[in-house]
Amino acid sequence: AQKITQTQPGMFVQEKEAVTLDCTYDTSDPSYGLFWYKQPSSGEMIFLIYQGSYDQQNATEGRYSLNFQKARKSANLVISASQLGDSAMYFCAMRERAGGATNKLIFGTGTLLAVQP
Amino acid sequence: DAEITQSPRHKITETGRQVTLACHQTWNHNNMFWYRQDLGHGLRLIHYSYGVQDTNKGEVSDGYSVSRSNTEDLPLTLESAASSQTSVYFCASAQGEGRSSDTQYFGPGTRLTVL
Repeated sequence: AQKITQTQPGMFVQEKEAVTLDCTYDTSDPSYGLFWYKQPSSGEMIFLIYQGSYDQQNATEGRYSLNFQKARKSANLVISASQLGDSAMYFCAMRERAGGATNKLIFGTGTLLAVQP
Repeated sequence: DAEITQSPRHKITETGRQVTLACHQTWNHNNMFWYRQDLGHGLRLIHYSYGVQDTNKGEVSDGYSVSRSNTEDLPLTLESAASSQTSVYFCASAQGEGRSSDTQYFGPGTRLTVL
């Protein structure tokens, strides 16, 4: 069965430092997509970054980058130069099956990041 | 601007009552989803729809139903609310283009309390 694991329930990081949030996944499907979402204390779910299983390069979006290690089945989110506004819950998610009509996401349990001044 | 909205944002109800949570998107997305979020469980899929008149059960569908009569709306109904259904409910939508990059965009959530 497909599964997403986030082993860090909570993390602290100093402002302006980089932080890595871990995500490992399990799937037997060769084609899949990986997503990261941010959930601030206000509650909304904000899409951050996407990585496809066939993408040759790691995805980047501004200060966010995805350290994709396919052989290890990991898709860690790296936030560079942390800001106070980065304090939030972060969720890793995987598309259950790529292509066709199937479009369901499986979510991890999240990592709560606290950025300290 | 296109968006996805949910109403109400907060709801308190009593055990046994029927409750309907609304979800409306203006992106003209084919796919719509309902999730519930509970501490320690992340987001779990309740029901989803790939188009008008299409509905499917998700991981935790017992006690919930949906209907899709148009592209824009996917209301979630709790037939007889139970205390175990106290949760935060999120609606999401996606283009439904069949690509692995097809991103789900979420509504602001509805906090439901069943007393």
